[in-house]
Amino acid sequence: GESVGLHLPTLSVQEGDNSIINCAYSNSASDYFIWYKQESGKGPQFIIDIRSNMDKRQGQRVTVLLNKTVKHLSLQIAATQPGDSAVYFCAENNAGGTSYGKLTFGQGTILTVHP
Amino acid sequence: DSGVTQTPKHLITATGQRVTLRCSPRSGDLSVYWYQQSLDQGLQFLIQYYNGEERAKGNILERFSAQQFPDLHSELNLSSLELGDSALYFCASSPRAYYNEQFFGPGTRLTVL
Repeated sequence: GESVGLHLPTLSVQEGDNSIINCAYSNSASDYFIWYKQESGKGPQFIIDIRSNMDKRQGQRVTVLLNKTVKHLSLQIAATQPGDSAVYFCAENNAGGTSYGKLTFGQGTILTVHP
Repeated sequence: DSGVTQTPKHLITATGQRVTLRCSPRSGDLSVYWYQQSLDQGLQFLIQYYNGEERAKGNILERFSAQQFPDLHSELNLSSLELGDSALYFCASSPRAYYNEQFFGPGTRLTVL
């Protein structure tokens, strides 16, 4: 859903470990699925996107996997660093109709990386 | 630094009042978006403008309005403010109307007392 309660999912990892952040989406008609990162006191920052007709996309130290069968999206971060500590949001972009640039954000996951 | 500027950074006002939030997009970006972030609703899309025209609308209250000016800066007007309007308001910009990589500003924190 789109709402965020006071209790966001959390993930705590050690520096150097790989992190996997998961997201369940609801709209099968979305054209793109996107990951954003929000550091404390800052606005969200784009990480990577994946088109709905793909199942995997790799970036620098990050990989996004899309499983349309179960409506599941994941972000894998390799060799996690303390600077990766942030809230991670998945988002959907459905350009159908009048939804042009409208991003629908998920609830967010807090990632904490311990040195 | 995303290149998007927002003013003011903080705003404290009373219920029933009206405020204006301002956003300057990155140089060359034609599209501006407004989002509201609160603890209970998360990050919610409000409205999008592209080159001066409204392009997409989210769950924006009737008490809220926005516009994009010829120089491409945008303003979000919030009126008859209620306690529940207290939130972080983000502006984002992108080169085109349909673009997944939106560049977010630092936000304006609005507190309604």
